[in-house]
Amino acid sequence: AQSVTQLGSHVSVSEGALVLLRCNYSSSVPPYLFWYVQYPNQGLQLLLKYTSAATLVKGINGFEAEFKKSETSFHLTKPSAHMSDAAEYFCAVSATGTYKYIFGTGTRLKVLA
Amino acid sequence: DTAVSQTPKYLVTQMGNDKSIKCEQNLGHDTMYWYKQDSKKFLKIMFSYNNKELIINETVPNRFSPKSPDKAHLNLHINSLELGDSAVYFCASSLAGQETQYFGPGTRLLVL
Repeated sequence: AQSVTQLGSHVSVSEGALVLLRCNYSSSVPPYLFWYVQYPNQGLQLLLKYTSAATLVKGINGFEAEFKKSETSFHLTKPSAHMSDAAEYFCAVSATGTYKYIFGTGTRLKVLA
Repeated sequence: DTAVSQTPKYLVTQMGNDKSIKCEQNLGHDTMYWYKQDSKKFLKIMFSYNNKELIINETVPNRFSPKSPDKAHLNLHINSLELGDSAVYFCASSLAGQETQYFGPGTRLLVL
């Protein structure tokens, strides 16, 4: 069975500050992990994904995430927040052949001027 | 050049009505999905089709019936709509063997 936990349903950062959104997973098989972003009234856009290659994954818009098996984590970071980063962020896990994502409950990122 | 499209974008209807939501993808994918996002933004898979065959049915009431006429389309028909069906419904697609799913813009359903 697989599951995802996103710590912090709301995160606020100042513009220019570090963004850290937390995701911990549980999986009985090697997982694939994803971060998606959802802007208000829009669909989900893929930020980045981990598929068992490099543990440090770089995505779009300056985001990156590091897969840490020992901590079962896949936290999302960005060195410097921009106002346009304000959105809902979802972590998801899947496994080969399962054909489905298990999503976390989402983290709403607020960027303060 | 829309990748995954859904119609309609908004749907407001009365309890007890029957409605359909359509999804089309032009990515050449062979697997399509329906997800439901509730008012707390929680996303949960409902159905998945691979090559027009149902492969996932996640304990969804049988008032919901997906139909895949071909690999590029997955429609969702909902009978006897209830207040609790109000949500945003997302369609997604992927290529079998590739884990990345591509999402449509969502259909916002409000049942009055």
